[in-house]
Order: sequence, then structure tokens, then C-alpha cells
Amino acid sequence: DAGVTQSPTHLIKTRGQQVTLRCSPKSGHDTVSWYQQALGQGPQFIFQYYEEEERQRGNFPDRFSGHQFPNYSSELNVNALLLGDSALYLCASSLGGGLNTEAFFGQGTRLTVV
Amino acid sequence: QKEVEQNSGPLSVPEGAIASLNCTYSDRVSQSFFWYRQYSGKSPELIMSIYSNGDKEDGRFTAQLNKASQYVSLLIRDSQPSDSATYLCAPRLSSASKIIFGSGTRLSIRP
Repeated sequence: DAGVTQSPTHLIKTRGQQVTLRCSPKSGHDTVSWYQQALGQGPQFIFQYYEEEERQRGNFPDRFSGHQFPNYSSELNVNALLLGDSALYLCASSLGGGLNTEAFFGQGTRLTVV
Repeated sequence: QKEVEQNSGPLSVPEGAIASLNCTYSDRVSQSFFWYRQYSGKSPELIMSIYSNGDKEDGRFTAQLNKASQYVSLLIRDSQPSDSATYLCAPRLSSASKIIFGSGTRLSIRP
């Protein structure tokens, strides 16, 4: 049973460029949440996708956008990259949105903006 | 006030002892609580979930929840060097489906 997979694992981009990160949820899961984790901080919620729609959004600018496909996989797009966007980007998958639903993380994508 | 507060540590505990990790949260109606362990350079790993007041035990781990005090804790018995990691407290707000995270407590188990 495959867990949550993310690609790529590492990425280096130049300021101003655009980046796309990908996530395949755990088998049987239909909900994908994206988080940004800066060094020494806890993960910060970016947004969540369910049934191909953005269900919730955190305090991130519109430069951050996403998509969910019919097979429940998801993409995170970041436009006009800033140095401050350098972080570990985490994808978490879960089943539905119930209060007691557990979320499981992929291995993350380490993005470095230079 | 932060939504989730944790002591950043480092918390140093001798091998074999009990490590106690604490967390307070601001949303009175938070219903679900999760503890994640994160090794340096790795992604968070779910180790415990608790939904009702009281204690929940799983192996060497015990989660404790007191909703009236808005307090949740994690006890690790017989601490091992492999328990050295950052532990993230993560409540799920009842008004939304997202899970939010504290900044984590760094735990170091000394031999």
C-alpha cells in the first residue's frame, strides 16, 4: 500500500520563476492538504483540496495556487518566487474531512529559491 | 496569542526516563488532537491521536487531553535515543477541517 508520495524531493529555482510541486495521496484517501514549513517552525497550512475544489485556505498570497485531479492527486503552484518561499513543502492526505480523520504526510519537497 | 503553544526546548531527558511534552491551544472548541514526530530533515510522522478527555495509551506513548484547560500532553515512557526528535502538537479546529501545528518541542534523549 503506497503512502503519500511527493515529487520532486529537492528543487532549486531562481527568484521570479514559477514552480509546480506534485502529490499523490495515500491509497483510498480523497483529501489533500498542503503545508509550508520553514526551518525551525511548525508546518503552516496553505490550502486543502477535496472533490477537486479548494475547500479551505490559509494566510498565503494568491501566488500560491493549486489543483486536484479526478484521481485525487494534487499540484501546488507558486508564481513569482521570492527568497522567502524557500522551505519544505509538505503534502498530507486524509479521507474526507471528519473531525477524527487522521492525516499522513509525504516526504516533502525541499524548495530553495536563489 | 498563538493558536498552539509548545515549549521549543530542547528538552533533555536521560535514557530510560519519562519524557513529558506539553501543549496548549486557544480554540476552546477544538475536538481532535494529534501528535506528530519529526526527525531532522524528514517529514512529520503521526504517532498519536486523541479525541476525548482523559488518557490514551499506545505502547510507550500516552496522550493526555483536558479540554476544559485547553491542554494536551504526550508522555514517552522508557525513553530511547531514537525518540530524539521534534514533537509537533496539532489540533483540528472544529470550525474547520484543517489541522494546525505548533512550532514543536525538540526532545533529546541522552544515553
